Amino acid sequence: NAGVTQTPKFQVLKTGQSMTLQCAQDMNHNSMYWYRQDPGMGLRLIYYSASEGTTDKGEVPNGYNVSRLNKREFSLRLESAAPSQTSVYFCASSAPGHRDTQYFGPGTRLTVL
Amino acid sequence: KNEVEQSPQNLTAQEGEFITINCSYSVGISALHWLQQHPGGGIVSLFMLSSGKKKHGRLIATINIQEKHSSLHITASHPRDSAVYICAVRGEETSGSRLTFGEGTQLTVNP
Repeated sequence: NAGVTQTPKFQVLKTGQSMTLQCAQDMNHNSMYWYRQDPGMGLRLIYYSASEGTTDKGEVPNGYNVSRLNKREFSLRLESAAPSQTSVYFCASSAPGHRDTQYFGPGTRLTVL
Repeated sequence: KNEVEQSPQNLTAQEGEFITINCSYSVGISALHWLQQHPGGGIVSLFMLSSGKKKHGRLIATINIQEKHSSLHITASHPRDSAVYICAVRGEETSGSRLTFGEGTQLTVNP
């Protein structure tokens, strides 16, 4: 089992460019999450998907869109990147009945110039 | 004021010392999690607590629901314990499995 995988690991964008961060899990989890992590702040939820076919906004959704492509895959799209979106992005997944334990991907370090 | 507060923010210890990291929260919760973020960035879940105490190897986590407080203890600390330790809570009113995270405690254990 690979667990939760994310691509790419690193990315540099110019302001206004778009990109999609990919996330996949092979644990048959229903719920998936996208977080951003900034210095001096805790992980903040951008969007989550409680189950295939549903997505909901988290704490900091502005500037992002998501797609729950199927049960395995949950992508995060930046339509027009801004320097304020420079961050480390983590995808996570969890299964019902496991008391909310979340399994995290390795992260994507994004720099927007 | 954040819903989840950790202390200290930074902690430096000598190998072998007993370490305590604290987490206080301001809302009613259904579960509290402790996670570890390695220097390379990976995040792993250490414990999930809803009451009492749990132990795994040299790590012990406790929670006092009435006082809205949890502690993570590391006995006989080792340089490989150096990491960021993160507390997270699931609020009673939270839908799904959403968690609210503290800022983390950076632990450095020197040989």
